[in-house]
Amino acid sequence: AQSVAQPEDQVNVAEGNPLTVKCTYSVSGNPYLFWYVQYPNRGLQFLLKYITGDNLVKGSYGFEAEFNKSQTSFHLKKPSALVSDSALYFCAVRDTGFQKLVFGTGTRLLVSP
Amino acid sequence: EAGVTQFPSHSVIEKGQTVTLRCDPISGHDNLYWYRRVMGKEIKFLLHFVKESKQDESGMPNNRFLAERTGGTYSTLKVQPAELEDSGVYFCASSQEGLGNSPLHFGNGTRLTVT
Repeated sequence: AQSVAQPEDQVNVAEGNPLTVKCTYSVSGNPYLFWYVQYPNRGLQFLLKYITGDNLVKGSYGFEAEFNKSQTSFHLKKPSALVSDSALYFCAVRDTGFQKLVFGTGTRLLVSP
Repeated sequence: EAGVTQFPSHSVIEKGQTVTLRCDPISGHDNLYWYRRVMGKEIKFLLHFVKESKQDESGMPNNRFLAERTGGTYSTLKVQPAELEDSGVYFCASSQEGLGNSPLHFGNGTRLTVT
């Protein structure tokens, strides 16, 4: 069965510093990987996805993610964090052969001024 | 374009009562999904509609949950009778095409509390 692990419940970073939110996955076959963000009292918003092609994927709000097949990772990154990036981030993988996503438990990102 | 809308935003009911959640997808989106996040854990898939047809309902917890999408437009998710473990945030999402081609657009969710 497909699964996603987000090992950190919370990540703290100072504004202006680079940020990384970690995600590892376990799938059979080629992975379809996604990152979503949830701001307080809002639904999830799509950030970026990896289906095939370049391992470095660029998404919304200056975020990017690096697909690493050997390490089965898909970490989310941003070169310079903003206070407004503070939110809950979810990594997800498409369940092979199905039209549904398997989500991780989420990582809360706190960016301090 | 209007986003995915969900009603109500919050619902507090007693164990044994019935609750119906509603989702209005983005107009023209044939794919509609229900997900649930319980107790701050991972978001779990419940089911998937394509138009009015259930494509996958493998995530539905038990027969106390009933989802419908009559006419292929809005969808309802009924919980009857509700149990304490049903508390959580229920998200609806829609997409124009399959997951590989178009992203999911999520509603703000319905927070259900069963007391």
